[in-house]
Amino acid sequence: LAKTTQPISMDSYEGQEVNITCSHNNIATNDYITWYQQFPSQGPRFIIQGYKTKVTNEVASLFIPADRKSSTLSLPRVSLSDTAVYYCLVGDPDILTGGGNKLTFGTGTQLKVEL
Amino acid sequence: NAGVTQTPKFQVLKTGQSMTLQCAQDMNHEYMSWYRQDPGMGLRLIHYSVGAGITDQGEVPNGYNVSRSTTEDFPLRLLSAAPSQTSVYFCASSYSTDFNEKLFFGSGTQLSVL
Repeated sequence: LAKTTQPISMDSYEGQEVNITCSHNNIATNDYITWYQQFPSQGPRFIIQGYKTKVTNEVASLFIPADRKSSTLSLPRVSLSDTAVYYCLVGDPDILTGGGNKLTFGTGTQLKVEL
Repeated sequence: NAGVTQTPKFQVLKTGQSMTLQCAQDMNHEYMSWYRQDPGMGLRLIHYSVGAGITDQGEVPNGYNVSRSTTEDFPLRLLSAAPSQTSVYFCASSYSTDFNEKLFFGSGTQLSVL
């Protein structure tokens, strides 16, 4: 059973705002929503995390509606260097006590930014 | 502070050979894990450890062994390599076992089994 659903790919142009939406219908009460970014030949890296409403940092914004069944990663004014795979993750609700950080990665969204 | 270090970066094995992928972190992280990444499959969890002396299986553990004798190191062993284990392997760590904790990844090991 997939924990999250994201578009497989998205295309954009430099300077545009990109919004990637993730569906997570089975999110647990205590789960946070976390987004990772992966460049080719590198491991994923954390970019943003939130629980509800809106979170913003120097890289992106994360919008989470009240029902928390989806979230949207917003990248303002993308550049070529933002071309990467973006993963949306929620904590595994089967692991509640000392089970570790058993995050489930899906296939992510391949974002391609062109000139 | 080097973060998460994986060695080697590339490896070619013949079917049936054994080898160990090394992973070390210098952040005093309690939690460490191994993922494999295959085209179209995303990252799949192989094994994880919540502390020294404690390991458990992830989604795809068959064909792999792990141990955690120290906080810093979490090697992944392939006892008898198979072509199906051709993949990119990533080691990750986090400060605690809280599943909302941020994961730090190594740069990966590209493994080919012929």
